[in-house]
Amino acid sequence: NAGVTQTPKFQVLKTGQSMTLQCAQDMNHEYMSWYRQDPGMGLRLIHYSVGAGITDQGEVPNGYNVSRSTTEDFPLRLLSAAPSQTSVYFCASSSGTGNTIYFGEGSWLTVV
Amino acid sequence: GEDVEQSLFLSVREGDSSVINCTYTDSSSTYLYWYKQEPGAGLQLLTYIFSNMDMKQDQRLTVLLNKKDKHLSLRIADTQTGDSAIYFCAENDTGFQKLVFGTGTRLLVSP
Repeated sequence: NAGVTQTPKFQVLKTGQSMTLQCAQDMNHEYMSWYRQDPGMGLRLIHYSVGAGITDQGEVPNGYNVSRSTTEDFPLRLLSAAPSQTSVYFCASSSGTGNTIYFGEGSWLTVV
Repeated sequence: GEDVEQSLFLSVREGDSSVINCTYTDSSSTYLYWYKQEPGAGLQLLTYIFSNMDMKQDQRLTVLLNKKDKHLSLRIADTQTGDSAIYFCAENDTGFQKLVFGTGTRLLVSP
């Protein structure tokens, strides 16, 4: 009963380093998305995908790349980490409009 | 773009009712959601309401939607200390599950 699994849970990066946050879901959901949560700002959409091979930008896409080669996985890549990307990142999935959106437990990223 | 606003903080005593308010701007929102986040944890879906409904009740939770005023509220009856958390209101951008979140309301329940 895994649901949405994110790894790693905690990560510290140096400015300029790259890394990938992994997200996997075992519910055969078509829709997946990445959000970042910053204090006092709620969650903001970074990128989303409506199915394998299809991705699009959300509200704050700069500095991030995504791909969706399989239905299960939706990795988020930080190309060259900046302190402004220090945040908590949440992956989410759902089976369609109006259906329950499931969130992962979050990945805490600090860029120094 | 869409905007969702919430008050930042609410403090109540155990046993009282809590009412968390939210306003949104996108009149085309189809679904509106309430999520709960406990410290260091992810988001837990509490309830949601379809835009053609005025009210939805689920055990201790009552959601009221005033579509004319674009106002959503979450009432928690008999609030318990375990209800202390941040509560997020969210509305969906039609079609693709693109949620727009409010800033969250921190609920503190004192004994």
